[in-house]
Amino acid sequence: RKEVEQDPGPFNVPEGATVAFNCTYSNSASQSFFWYRQDCRKEPKLLMSVYSSGNEDGRFTAQLNRASQYISLLIRDSKLSDSATYLCVVTSSNYQLIWGAGTKLIIKP
Amino acid sequence: GAGVSQSPSNKVTEKGKDVELRCDPISGHTALYWYRQSLGQGLEFLIYFQGNSAPDKSGLPSDRFSAERTGGSVSTLTIQRTQQEDSAVYLCASSSVGGNEKLFFGSGTQLSVL
Repeated sequence: RKEVEQDPGPFNVPEGATVAFNCTYSNSASQSFFWYRQDCRKEPKLLMSVYSSGNEDGRFTAQLNRASQYISLLIRDSKLSDSATYLCVVTSSNYQLIWGAGTKLIIKP
Repeated sequence: GAGVSQSPSNKVTEKGKDVELRCDPISGHTALYWYRQSLGQGLEFLIYFQGNSAPDKSGLPSDRFSAERTGGSVSTLTIQRTQQEDSAVYLCASSSVGGNEKLFFGSGTQLSVL
């Protein structure tokens, strides 16, 4: 089993719809959690950190479920510009960053 | 500059040649990571530098790969006797602390080994 797993997709979603995807992790001692966004042939960029209580940034909501060991990302009112690959990252010790392989999202007009 | 700078942006080389990839992290960032990404694949960890500590080289795929970080700033990733399977985008990232802080990525070096 991979340490961090994501559904590779692609998720094909009509513009304006709500979409959510999860990322599961195997190490229960994991400390920090992040979502990054990567556009085609570009470098990853931080989308948002994931806090224990859940957090929201505009149309984006991130949640952490420690009991089931997964994090989620929900995008409301999706835009064409949301099309990208979404990478989850989990840290276990001071610097061990474990990356998921990413979920590809395609927003269609 | 304000961001992580990598050079060259593209490198085409012949099989068997050595290549050097450079990364200039954000000033003051103590943590520096090298990753490799093949087309359509996830990030593959290569090496991690944190301040003056010994680097974590556990991700280097073979002894043809090496990296150094001089003066706690600029880093160079060297690939000796390149092979076609080394073709990928090599990404460098830095962070202010490491681990629990967000990473800032450079735009990468696209390496093509012919």
